[in-house]
Amino acid sequence: GENVEQHPSTLSVQEGDSAVIKCTYSDSASNYFPWYKQELGKGPQLIIDIRSNVGEKKDQRIAVTLNKTAKHFSLHITETQPEDSAVYFCAAVTGGFKTIFGAGTRLFVKA
Amino acid sequence: EAGVVQSPRYKIIEKKQPVAFWCNPISGHNTLYWYLQNLGQGPELLIRYENEEAVDDSQLPKDRFSAERLKGVDSTLKIQPAELGDSAVYLCASSLDPNPNEQFFGPGTRLTVL
Repeated sequence: GENVEQHPSTLSVQEGDSAVIKCTYSDSASNYFPWYKQELGKGPQLIIDIRSNVGEKKDQRIAVTLNKTAKHFSLHITETQPEDSAVYFCAAVTGGFKTIFGAGTRLFVKA
Repeated sequence: EAGVVQSPRYKIIEKKQPVAFWCNPISGHNTLYWYLQNLGQGPELLIRYENEEAVDDSQLPKDRFSAERLKGVDSTLKIQPAELGDSAVYLCASSLDPNPNEQFFGPGTRLTVL
């Protein structure tokens, strides 16, 4: 069935370093790939998204890349700050408008 | 603008009891979603509504779960009877339409079944 795999499950970086989270998806008809940040006790919040006709998108310190051939997409956070510490989820929206989430990456940014 | 509102935020019940969760989406959002989030996992879709119609309920365990969205605005998700394995966070989200678009999530209801 439809599946999204996310790695790593935990990531610890020093403040100011970069963090990279990678995801793969199985449904080749997927055409929208959002990334969500979830803080403790809150619902997920969209931080960036990319559509299938775009290879890369950047918004200040965060960027997302998409390789449709390999069915890979990645989140890049530069100059990490302690407030970036949270759980990050990738997702893929299938042709039937169904959103499949990855299992999440817990990011720790050490001051 | 108010975000997605969910209540209650926390609920503790004994197994075999019924429980209901309520969600009020962002005004004007036609599409409403209920997700289940187990500890350490990503959200999993239970049901998606477009206006008052349930267009994807394939993952909803219909023997014990039910949902409704009367008048195409707020929605209720019910479990009867609850089982120990139902302990999780139940998230509600809404979006303008079902086309790939930003989903806005509520804070969730944390259910504990004893």
